[in-house]
Amino acid sequence: QSVLTQPPSASGTPGQRVTISCSGSSSNIGSNTVNWYQQLPGTAPKLLIYSNNQRPSGVPDRFSGSKSGTSASLAISGLQSEDEADYHCAGWDDSLNGRVFGGGTKLTVL
Amino acid sequence: QVQLQESGPGLVKPSETLSLTCTVSGGSMSSNYWSWIRQPPGKGLEWIGYIHYSGSTNYNPSLRSRITISVDTSKNQFSLKLSSVTAADTAVYYCAREGLSGSLDYWGQGILVTVSS
Repeated sequence: QSVLTQPPSASGTPGQRVTISCSGSSSNIGSNTVNWYQQLPGTAPKLLIYSNNQRPSGVPDRFSGSKSGTSASLAISGLQSEDEADYHCAGWDDSLNGRVFGGGTKLTVL
Repeated sequence: QVQLQESGPGLVKPSETLSLTCTVSGGSMSSNYWSWIRQPPGKGLEWIGYIHYSGSTNYNPSLRSRITISVDTSKNQFSLKLSSVTAADTAVYYCAREGLSGSLDYWGQGILVTVSS
């Protein structure tokens, strides 16, 4: 059981806007920043969003992140076929004194 | 451009110790934390622990009794030892660099380690 909760799957059609949620608690998302990773099939995860809503250089602005209370969201607008991947949220948990991940969400582009 | 590369045996016997090394190139290990993360087949990511270039460590509480992470800055390497392995430790093991806000901004390609007799 992952400390952060994500839906196991999500889907959308090309051009559509999709959001993926990440739910936590006061000891993790509620008091620390959230990062998001994209994992294309058969590859290592890649940093997509850091510090809740910041994009590393090279990440398209179609990807955006937000946080409210003990939940965070990743939004992908103008969905493209190459966005088909697993998406993982992550953060720090003060109670566990360690880094925690969500279980991952598999995004399918229909 | 920082690059990381995991190395080590791909097969470990039950009850033995898994040993992996991550070699960092394209930059210094100074002033950063360096992490190990694993992903069992078909499952999500699990943080194992991290080490600062100074040698201070922090481990996942669920694995703490079996883990040792060490660093050799002269070789630009850090290592993971996981003792008393079982089939549940079968996973792709990744090394990564901690960047801004605790994000993992550079990752190795990963190495599959299978625990089997």
